[in-house]
Order: sequence, then structure tokens, then C-alpha cells
Amino acid sequence: DAKTTQPPSMDCAEGRAANLPCNHSTISGNEYVYWYRQIHSQGPQYIIHGLKNNETNEMASLIITEDRKSSTLILPHATLRDTAVYYCIVSSWGDNYGQNFVFGPGTRLSVLP
Amino acid sequence: DADVTQTPRNRITKTGKRIMLECSQTKGHDRMYWYRQDPGLGLRLIYYSFDVKDINKGEISDGYSVSRQAQAKFSLSLESAIPNQTALYFCATSIRGPDEQFFGPGTRLTVL
Repeated sequence: DAKTTQPPSMDCAEGRAANLPCNHSTISGNEYVYWYRQIHSQGPQYIIHGLKNNETNEMASLIITEDRKSSTLILPHATLRDTAVYYCIVSSWGDNYGQNFVFGPGTRLSVLP
Repeated sequence: DADVTQTPRNRITKTGKRIMLECSQTKGHDRMYWYRQDPGLGLRLIYYSFDVKDINKGEISDGYSVSRQAQAKFSLSLESAIPNQTALYFCATSIRGPDEQFFGPGTRLTVL
């Protein structure tokens, strides 16, 4: 069963921020939120992950709501090369890590010139 | 050089043939995974291995088997390929902690 819900597609203008939402209302206390993206049919690429606090790295920012039931991935200045399918995944850490990495259909982001 | 490599990158075979897909990694990770992706869908976990002596079934293991020959090598076999196993196959690696999985470039398998 899918543990996350994402819109099937979104458009974003080049140079603008892309905000990709994800609902994970049944997330458990020990589960992290991960974001990956897949460009064409390449192997998925890790973007960012977080547990409770907001996170930022060189690629993106992750905003997790206080109740942890939803999150938003922010690409601050989208470029054409950010056009991809973005996957939101929840998974526990520790011994079970990797067992339940479920990639749903994701959100197809199209960055428009 | 790529950290996670998969061979072959493309393969066309016939129904009933035995096929082996190979994955090698130079990252020194203990954990390795095999995923399958069908057109328009996300990835689904076939098998995973947390170390050389550990093999576990994933969501869709029927019709597949795996071998972990060494820390760096994890092979996926289709004993008797069938057309609905036509898909894109990805290998991935990770450490134990909550960090990322590193994916290979994928193998496109077509079963006629």
C-alpha cells in the first residue's frame, strides 16, 4: 500500500521555485521522508531526506509540517534540467531500512522555458 | 568511473530463457537492492541483501532469484523468462543508516 500521495504532474516556469507537495498522513515516529528524482529512464537520484526538522542542501529544501503528515520539496530556482519524475518516500531507519522503500508513481515536474 | 554498474545495459531474450543481470559497486556498502520499473510506474523492490550472507525477498520476488557473490556483487536471475518480466531493472546500494540509496544506470530487459 502506498504510504505517500503526490500529484501526478506539475509545471513550473524556469527560474521560479518549484514546490512539490507530498502527503504522508500515516507516517510513523521513526520514519524519515526521502525525496528522489528520475530523469528519463536513468537511475533515481537522491535529493534530500529529513525526520522532523526542515532540511536544506545544495539541491533543494525540505519542509516538513509540525505534525509530519505532509512535506514539500522546494527547488529554489528550477532549470530545464530539473524536469523529471520526483518521488516522495517514507522509510524507517535502522535494521529495517531499505525493506520498505516504496516508489509510488511520483510527480512529473515539467520546467517550462 | 561509476560507483554502481550494471551489466548488460540492454538485453533482448526469448520466453523460457535463463537470464542473469549483474550489479557491481565500488562504494563499499553492505546493503544492495534489486528493483523493477514498469512503464509509467514507480520502482518495486524485488530482492535485497544486507550483507553477503543475507538475502531477503521484496515485494515482487516470484520468478526471480538472486546471488550475493561478494560484498561488491549482487546478481539477479530470471530462471525462465516470461514476457511480463519485460521492464527496466535497477540495482542500488546503501549503508545501514538513514542515508541515501545509490542507483545504477539500469538494465532494459525485453522478453519476447
